[in-house]
Amino acid sequence: QVQLQESGPGLVKPSETLSLTCAVSGGFISNFYWNWIRQPPGKGLEWIGYIYYTGRTNYNPSLKSRVTMSVDTSKNQFSLKLTSVTAADTAVYYCARSLKGSYYFDYWGQGILVTVSS
Amino acid sequence: DIQMTQSPSSLSASVGDRVTITCRANQTTSTYLNWYQQNPGKAPKLLIYAASILQRGVPSRFSGSGSGTDFTLSISSLQPEDFATYYCQQSHSTPYTFGQGTKVEI
Repeated sequence: QVQLQESGPGLVKPSETLSLTCAVSGGFISNFYWNWIRQPPGKGLEWIGYIYYTGRTNYNPSLKSRVTMSVDTSKNQFSLKLTSVTAADTAVYYCARSLKGSYYFDYWGQGILVTVSS
Repeated sequence: DIQMTQSPSSLSASVGDRVTITCRANQTTSTYLNWYQQNPGKAPKLLIYAASILQRGVPSRFSGSGSGTDFTLSISSLQPEDFATYYCQQSHSTPYTFGQGTKVEI
């Protein structure tokens, strides 16, 4: 059974960089797309972007200037960096897997709440 | 971006009721349309992908239909564990987008 687990700081100061990692277990990172999705408290879901296991990325244009994703196949994990955060970036951040050709999210992490506050 | 609109935003129902949720896209998504269920404090769970294919392990009371711009999620006989928020999501083109959610309440 594939499992995803997000990790990182739960509190980030405004203007600083949010950094999260998603560890994948029970399966290999190869041949899949790895996504970050966020959900502000009480609101809906927003796709941030994906990274393919080869390192190819696709970011949401609304966040593209501030997002960087990376993948480490040797550690079976991938990461998200979001720069210059504001209170509007406060959200539960999920990592999720999707398949080439269909792109639905079949496995999700439990989510991690990141609060932007001084 | 493809905008997804769900209706209704919320609904009240009883155990045993048949429930239908609608999702409309502002441009065609073919059948690249997926449905998720989210319980409070939990990650979304994939129910249906490609508009009508039931994800493994999802009860058969859930069904999906539609193509192009109009889609529906139906629950044939609502069970207590089905009271949750449901989201549609298009995977036709990036940025992938979600509907605003439909909360199914008792």
